[in-house]
Amino acid sequence: EVQLLESGGGLVQPGGSLRLSCAASGFTFSDCGLSWVRQAPGKGLEWVSTILRTGDTYYADSVKGRLTISRDNSENTLYLQMNSLRADDTALYYCAKDFGGAQDYWGQGTLVTVSS
Amino acid sequence: DIQMTQSPSTLSASVGDRVTITCRASQNIRYNLAWYQQKPGKAPKLLVSKASTLQSGVPSRFSGSGSGTEFTLTISSLQPDDFATYYCQQDERYPRTFGQGTKLEIK
Repeated sequence: EVQLLESGGGLVQPGGSLRLSCAASGFTFSDCGLSWVRQAPGKGLEWVSTILRTGDTYYADSVKGRLTISRDNSENTLYLQMNSLRADDTALYYCAKDFGGAQDYWGQGTLVTVSS
Repeated sequence: DIQMTQSPSTLSASVGDRVTITCRASQNIRYNLAWYQQKPGKAPKLLVSKASTLQSGVPSRFSGSGSGTEFTLTISSLQPDDFATYYCQQDERYPRTFGQGTKLEIK
């Protein structure tokens, strides 16, 4: 059974940093692309970043230069390093497994709140 | 970036109705479109990939069609479990983009 479990969310002040983690199981982690997708309170889905099995990375323009996606294939864990956080980064952050470009399995999300 | 526009934003329908949600892309995305269902407080669920491929376990009353710039998700006979918000997403190129969502409500 595929499982994705996010952690690391919390309350942070504007300009601060957080690192999100996503522990994966139930599939061959190193063979898969992985993504972060966020959802601001009461809003729609916003794709944030993807890391392919090759290590290639892609980012939304709104987070480029501030958020960094990475993966540890030995630990089956996906990360999102979040720096220079802003109020509009407040959202529930989902990690998801890629399937031919779409996302076929999702975690339950971890909430990031940026506020003073 | 590729813009995705869904219509309608809200749809009121009854159990048993046939409903169609439309998603339009601002440029040609071939067949690289996915549909997701999201219920309140839950993670999205992939229903359809590559415009028309139904995911395993998704009821056959759901179907996707289209290519290029215009796509549809059809539910042939609405069931109580189908009332949710639906999103389209293009995976033709990065950055990936979602439509704004269609909330399917009980009439």
